[in-house]
Amino acid sequence: AQSVTQPDIHITVSEGASLELRCNYSYGATPYLFWYVQSPGQGLQLLLKYFSGDTLVQGIKGFEAEFKRSQSSFNLRKPSVHWSDAAEYFCAVGAYTGGFKTIFGAGTRLFVKA
Amino acid sequence: DSGVTQTPKHLITATGQRVTLRCSPRSGDLSVYWYQQSLDQGLQFLIQYYNGEERAKGNILERFSAQQFPDLHSELNLSSLELGDSALYFCASSVGPMDTDTQYFGPGTRLTVL
Repeated sequence: AQSVTQPDIHITVSEGASLELRCNYSYGATPYLFWYVQSPGQGLQLLLKYFSGDTLVQGIKGFEAEFKRSQSSFNLRKPSVHWSDAAEYFCAVGAYTGGFKTIFGAGTRLFVKA
Repeated sequence: DSGVTQTPKHLITATGQRVTLRCSPRSGDLSVYWYQQSLDQGLQFLIQYYNGEERAKGNILERFSAQQFPDLHSELNLSSLELGDSALYFCASSVGPMDTDTQYFGPGTRLTVL
């Protein structure tokens, strides 16, 4: 069955430091992969998505993610974190099971310290 | 602001009751998706409609139903409510039916079942 694992429930980084959020997926075919961000009290916003082509994907707000098929991973990175990046981040995989469905990971909450 | 509106923002009701959540998609978007976010289940895809027709179904309970109207707004009906139905319900919309279309999320309706 398709699944998404985000191993880190929460991460704390200092402002200005680099960030990497981990995501591993399980899916038999070539996956559609997404990263979303959810700020407190808000809905989800798409940061970036991968369907095919270049395995390094650029997104909004300075985020990027790299698809590594051999590791079944799609980690999210940002070179320098800002305090406004504090939020919950969700990795998701799009799967074809009786129609296209988006399956989300449990999320990683990012705390940014001054 | 994603352009997706959801009403009401908050809903408090009792077990056994029935409620209706409403979603208006972004102007021009033909697809509507419903998601449930709860502490124990995480974020789960419920159902998708495209231009009035059901397109994909996820983990939607039989007590729940949805529809999309000719003006493209959508309603999610939850009946025989149980304590475990307490959650944040998100609606999202996209321009077309394609799996690769970006989904834009509304702010959600927080349902509390007492």
